[in-house]
Order: sequence, then C-alpha cells, then structure tokens
Amino acid sequence: GDSVTQMEGPVTLSEEAFLTINCTYTATGYPSLFWYVQYPGEGLQLLLKATKADDKGSNKGFEATYRKETTSFHLEKGSVQVSDSAVYFCALSESYNTDKLIFGTGTRLQVFP
Amino acid sequence: DGGITQSPKYLFRKEGQNVTLSCEQNLNHDAMYWYRQDPGQGLRLIYYSQIVNDFQKGDIAEGYSVSREKKESFPLTVTSAQKNPTAFYLCASTPSPGAGWRHFGDGTRLSIL
Repeated sequence: GDSVTQMEGPVTLSEEAFLTINCTYTATGYPSLFWYVQYPGEGLQLLLKATKADDKGSNKGFEATYRKETTSFHLEKGSVQVSDSAVYFCALSESYNTDKLIFGTGTRLQVFP
Repeated sequence: DGGITQSPKYLFRKEGQNVTLSCEQNLNHDAMYWYRQDPGQGLRLIYYSQIVNDFQKGDIAEGYSVSREKKESFPLTVTSAQKNPTAFYLCASTPSPGAGWRHFGDGTRLSIL
C-alpha cells in the first residue's frame, strides 16, 4: 500500500541555518502531498501542500517541491528560527481514495540560538 | 474564530473504566476523524465520519467507539477493551471527504492511573 518515509530526528540546528527534512513516498497514481507542523502540546497545523508533479508549496518561508521522478517532497527553509522548533509530518492523500491521509512518523526539529 | 475544541486536555483513566473524549467543531465541516498519536509514530486513524449518523472504522478501531448524532460533534469513547490506551488523541475535520487535508484540534492526552 501507499506509504511515507521521513528522515529520523531530531534535527538540531543553530538559528539562521539552512533546513532540509527529507520525505519520500510510495504511491499508486498521483497523490497529493502535505507537510504538517506540530508545536509542543498542540495539534497539527497544515504548513503547505502540493497536488501535482512539479508543484511547489510554500508558507512562512518553508518550501517543498513535488518530485514525481524521485518520489520526494523534501521540506526546506533558508534560515530557521528558534520558533520553528517543532515536529514536522509529511503526509499523502491517495489519489484513488482522497479521504485517506497517510502520515510519516514525524521529524523533530530543534533550533538553538 | 472557527475551529475544533477538544476536551479535556488531560484525562486519566482507571483500569476497567470507559472514558469519553469530546470533539466539537464550528467550521461546518462534513467529515470528522479521530487519530491516535504515540511517541515516534505517525498518526493512526481510529474512526471517521463523512456524514451525520454514519461512521467507519479506521486502522485501529478495536477498543474504541464513536457516535455522530450532530454535524458539530464526534465524541470518542475509549473502552476497557482497549488494553493500551495511553496516548495523545487528535480530532480533525475537513470540509468534504475528498478535500485531502485536515484541520486539527489541540488534542487530549489520556493516561492510565
């Protein structure tokens, strides 16, 4: 079945460093792809999404490009802040069952001043 | 502001006891979902409902029950049959079943005394 694989954390960075969190997927058809962020003690918030190949989702300085040739949707940010410390989840929505959302295991980001 | 309200934020259960987690939304969303989150794991779907008075089992429904008597409300009961209930429970909604993305509440943390 469809699945999402994320790099294991924690990812530890200094403020203003460049961030990449890797996400690859296995899917039949053409899924939609999402990044969610979870701050401590809270639920998940949708960060960005892409619905077709070569789409780039972006929000709050974060970006991710839907790469069908490498089945990837890596999250990037040019300059992280302490406030970006959170857990980031990659997810896909199956093309043949758009009501099913499959999550990766999450990657914890820790940013130090 | 529209959103999802989950209560209580923290809940303790004694052995052999049933407990009910509340989830209320004022977003006028048709579909609602319950997820379980365990450390180091992604979110796993417990139950979902696409319309009032109808719901379906997710991937880990054993030991749980739900009802959907009103569009706004989707309570989850953790029964005594659930042998390992300690987890973070997240309620989510989406405007229509095919939307792909989810809007999440802030979660309820359930612990066993």
